[in-house]
Amino acid sequence: DGGITQSPKYLFRKEGQNVTLSCEQNLNHDAMYWYRQDPGQGLRLIYYSQIVNDFQKGDIAEGYSVSREKKESFPLTVTSAQKNPTAFYLCASSTSQGPDTQYFGPGTRLTVL
Amino acid sequence: GQNIDQPTEMTATEGAIVQINCTYQTSGFNGLFWYQQHAGEAPTFLSYNVLDGLEEKGRFSSFLSRSKGYSYLLLKELQMKDSASYLCAGLDSNYQLIWGAGTKLIIKP
Repeated sequence: DGGITQSPKYLFRKEGQNVTLSCEQNLNHDAMYWYRQDPGQGLRLIYYSQIVNDFQKGDIAEGYSVSREKKESFPLTVTSAQKNPTAFYLCASSTSQGPDTQYFGPGTRLTVL
Repeated sequence: GQNIDQPTEMTATEGAIVQINCTYQTSGFNGLFWYQQHAGEAPTFLSYNVLDGLEEKGRFSSFLSRSKGYSYLLLKELQMKDSASYLCAGLDSNYQLIWGAGTKLIIKP
């Protein structure tokens, strides 16, 4: 079955620790995205990648880092520099960046204690 | 600035029809998306409009007026499983999606 997987579903970390969220897709999509969702707000773009070994900052990249070493994988690291990391994180992919539908993974809910 | 506005919450009755409105202001415009999101789950794609008019897909229809910066999602024959948040997103000139905060739809029996 083709799709996007994110792991884990729930993640708890202590303040000051870096944490990496996994995102894998087997849809053969070129473009991948990371969003953050907070209650009462629209999705906000953290980073996106249109091609392997290339990625761009979104609107709220500070305190986050990504890599795109393989087409299928786009992990997100939430660093200790992110002031308010507790949120629901969504990974998405699309055929290319353009008017193509983005398909979402199930999300990771990160809670920093 | 770029902005998407939609109502925060709406309530409707099972079997009825509901219209969820969305107004948008984006830098350039390359279309408008509607997604459905159940609580704690991923958004799932419902529709994409880039030209004016109504697109119908079964019980769901989406309308776009580019001159008015306005779209709506129409849900017919409401079912309890339609209780969810509905997200409106505009695609700007850089092909970035600008998202609204979502409309939480509550269906009552």
